[in-house]
This record gives sequence, structure tokens and C-alpha cells, in this order.
Amino acid sequence: AQTVTQSQPEMSVQEAETVTLSCTYDTSENNYYLFWYKQPPSRQMILVIRQEAYKQQNATENRFSVNFQKAAKSFSLKISDSQLGDTAMYFCAFMMANAGGTSYGKLTFGQGTILTVHP
Amino acid sequence: EPEVTQTPSHQVTQMGQEVILRCVPISNHLYFYWYRQILGQKVEFLVSFYNNEISEKSEIFDDQFSVERPDGSNFTLKIRSTKLEDSAMYFCASSVEKTSEQFFGPGTRLTVL
Repeated sequence: AQTVTQSQPEMSVQEAETVTLSCTYDTSENNYYLFWYKQPPSRQMILVIRQEAYKQQNATENRFSVNFQKAAKSFSLKISDSQLGDTAMYFCAFMMANAGGTSYGKLTFGQGTILTVHP
Repeated sequence: EPEVTQTPSHQVTQMGQEVILRCVPISNHLYFYWYRQILGQKVEFLVSFYNNEISEKSEIFDDQFSVERPDGSNFTLKIRSTKLEDSAMYFCASSVEKTSEQFFGPGTRLTVL
């Protein structure tokens, strides 16, 4: 079974600064996807960024980038130039990518990290 | 922009009662999911649904739970006889393909008294 661990329950950062959220996972699979989801207060979860395990290049989406270390099973999220609207709970999640079709999109989540951006 | 919607936003019920949580996935999506989050705990997978049948379910999804897509737009989660420990936030999600981005609804907070 896969597990995902986010060791930082809460983080805070000043507006315009950079913050990194940690995530580690455990799996015996070689092909999988990793995600960061954001859940703003009282709003639904939205996808921030996605990484395919077979890709060595780290995914980037504007101010959001990841540091994917496959051997270390680590998948951290870096937010540059933090904005007040980045205040949210951030979830790291894992999904198997089984070409045989036995995986049907099940996401395994970490505990979440509450990020507060201060003005 | 299309969104997943869920109703009600909050449901309070007595232990032993049946509840139905409703979701309207994004219209061109083919894969549907339910997750739950007990207060202070991780978001947990319950079930995935494709082509009008359950594709995968977790050990949480026992005989008290069922899912249905009754009319081609709604996707429902039924809990037959609620227990105190079913109190949680229940999230519906949908995706175009099984490994593509899942779009989540805002959740239904279920409180079992």
C-alpha cells in the first residue's frame, strides 16, 4: 500500500517570499503520478501541479514548482513570490499509473499543510 | 468554468438513519469518485465509478455504502444505516480519464448524532 507523509502541519511565509512544502511517499511501484492540491478556506480543492514519475524534469506552473527526487521518494512544492491568495491547505497526493488497468484513479493523500501568507 | 457541485452542504442525521449525498460531476467526465475526511485526519479514498459500475473501492466502503448514477448527471453516495464514525466531510470528484486531473466538489459535511 502507498503512503504519503507531509511532516509540516503548518507553515507561514511573508508575502513575496518563497516557501517550500515537504512531502514524502512510500511505494514499490515504478510508474505513478504525484500531485499537489490546494484547498482555500471554505472552497473546493484545486490542482496546483502534477508530476509524472517517468519524467526526470521537475514540473513547473508559473510560481509553483516541484523538486521531485524519485530515489528519495520526495516531492516538495516551492511557491515563489507568495501571494495572499496562496493561503490554503495544501495536500500532496499519489496515484498509481498502472497500464494494466487495475488502477482507477485512486488518490492517496497526505495529512495536509496549512500555509498562511502574511502581508 | 465547469465545476463539480454537491448537495447538501451540511447534513445532520440520527444514528441508524439512511443518508444520500448528491454530486453533479462535470458533464463530459467519465470517472467519478468519493472521498471522505474525518475531522483532523487525512482525505481517504472511498470508491471510484466508471461505466456505471464500481471500479475500485477501499476497505472503508463496506455493505453500508452504495453509489449510483441514477440519471446520467447525478452521482450519489448512500449510507444505509449511519454510525457516529461516519461523521466526516465527503468529497465528490470527477475526471475525464482515470489518471487525469480530478476536479473536486466543495464537500458535504455529514454529522451523525
